[in-house]
Amino acid sequence: AQSVTQPDIHITVSEGASLELRCNYSYGATPYLFWYVQSPGQGLQLLLKYFSGDTLVQGIKGFEAEFKRSQSSFNLRKPSVHWSDAAEYFCAVQGGNTGKLIFGQGTTLQVKP
Amino acid sequence: GAVVSQHPSRVICKSGTSVKIECRSLDFQATTMFWYRQFPKQSLMLMATSNEGSKATYEQGVEKDKFLINHASLTLSTLTVTSAHPEDSSFYICSATGRSIQETQYFGPGTRLLVL
Repeated sequence: AQSVTQPDIHITVSEGASLELRCNYSYGATPYLFWYVQSPGQGLQLLLKYFSGDTLVQGIKGFEAEFKRSQSSFNLRKPSVHWSDAAEYFCAVQGGNTGKLIFGQGTTLQVKP
Repeated sequence: GAVVSQHPSRVICKSGTSVKIECRSLDFQATTMFWYRQFPKQSLMLMATSNEGSKATYEQGVEKDKFLINHASLTLSTLTVTSAHPEDSSFYICSATGRSIQETQYFGPGTRLLVL
């Protein structure tokens, strides 16, 4: 069965520090992978996605993610975090032809001044 | 591009009444729309998938007679919570995808429902 695991429920980093949010997936074939961000009381905004090709994908707001098939991972990174990055981050996998997304549990990012 | 709106953003209703939530794709044709429910500090739970012009497909455990979904056009889907009760209070989010934005779901801003 398809699943997504975000091992870190809550992460706190200092403003200006680097960030890595972990995401592991379980899927039989090559998945479509997504990272979304959600601010409190808001919907989800797409940060980036991986379908195929270059395993390092660039997204909005300075985020990037790397697909590693051998590790079944799709970790999100940002070299320097801004206070406005504080939010909930969701990794998701899409498989099959239904278009359904399977979400991880989410990681709450807190940014210290 | 790929903007999805929801209306209303917040609604308070009395127990036993019905509430309709609209989801619109503003700049693309949404062949498929999805409805999610999110509890505080939790992930999104898919309720149903709707394709334009056909009946919605509900996830296991979701009551189709309670959560009525209509996807009558390529830009509009509605979710009606019938005979709402306090336990239906939640954050409801829709998403949409279409031929022009293949396989990527774009999300609406969500609707906060409070049933008194």
